[in-house]
Amino acid sequence: KQEVTQIPAALSVPEGENLVLNCSFTDSAIYNLQWFRQDPGKGLTSLLLIQSSQREQTSGRLNASLDKSSGRSTLYIAASQPGDSATYLCAVYSDKLIFGTGTRLQVFP
Amino acid sequence: GAGVSQSPSNKVTEKGKDVELRCDPISGHTALYWYRQSLGQGLEFLIYFQGNSAPDKSGLPSDRFSAERTGGSVSTLTIQRTQQEDSAVYLCASSPSGISYEQYFGPGTRLTVT
Repeated sequence: KQEVTQIPAALSVPEGENLVLNCSFTDSAIYNLQWFRQDPGKGLTSLLLIQSSQREQTSGRLNASLDKSSGRSTLYIAASQPGDSATYLCAVYSDKLIFGTGTRLQVFP
Repeated sequence: GAGVSQSPSNKVTEKGKDVELRCDPISGHTALYWYRQSLGQGLEFLIYFQGNSAPDKSGLPSDRFSAERTGGSVSTLTIQRTQQEDSAVYLCASSPSGISYEQYFGPGTRLTVT
């Protein structure tokens, strides 16, 4: 059974710091991996999708890497801003989309 | 273009009543998914539609839960005889085709059972 874990569960940093959020999964047989952000009371916003054959994807200040063999992905956020404050979820596509437990990020001015 | 829409955005119901939640996927998306996000439980998969058929309904928690999709478009999730533990945010997503494509999520329906 696929299990997805994210660490840390919560993170509070000052504006401007570079951050790394971690995601690990137990079964490496995945199609791809997707990172989302969720703002309080809102739905999910897709950030990056990494295909299983890819090693990383970049969008603006965000960079996501995937090491399928070791069951790990990281989301790197450069020069964090207060507007980045949200919960970040990773999800892996196996036979269905399995979500991690989330990292609650707070960036303070 | 329009994204995934869900209605109602909020629903408060009394225990024992039936509720229907609606999802309008992105036009042209053949795959549709329902998820539930409970406080402290994270996001869990409920059911997946490809067209009008549901090849995977393994996540439905009990036989009080059912879903249908008509015309390869709109989907309705029905919860019969609601219980307090059904209180959660119900999220719908759609993708162009199949389980391995990027999924686009709607804003969710917050269900509160009193």
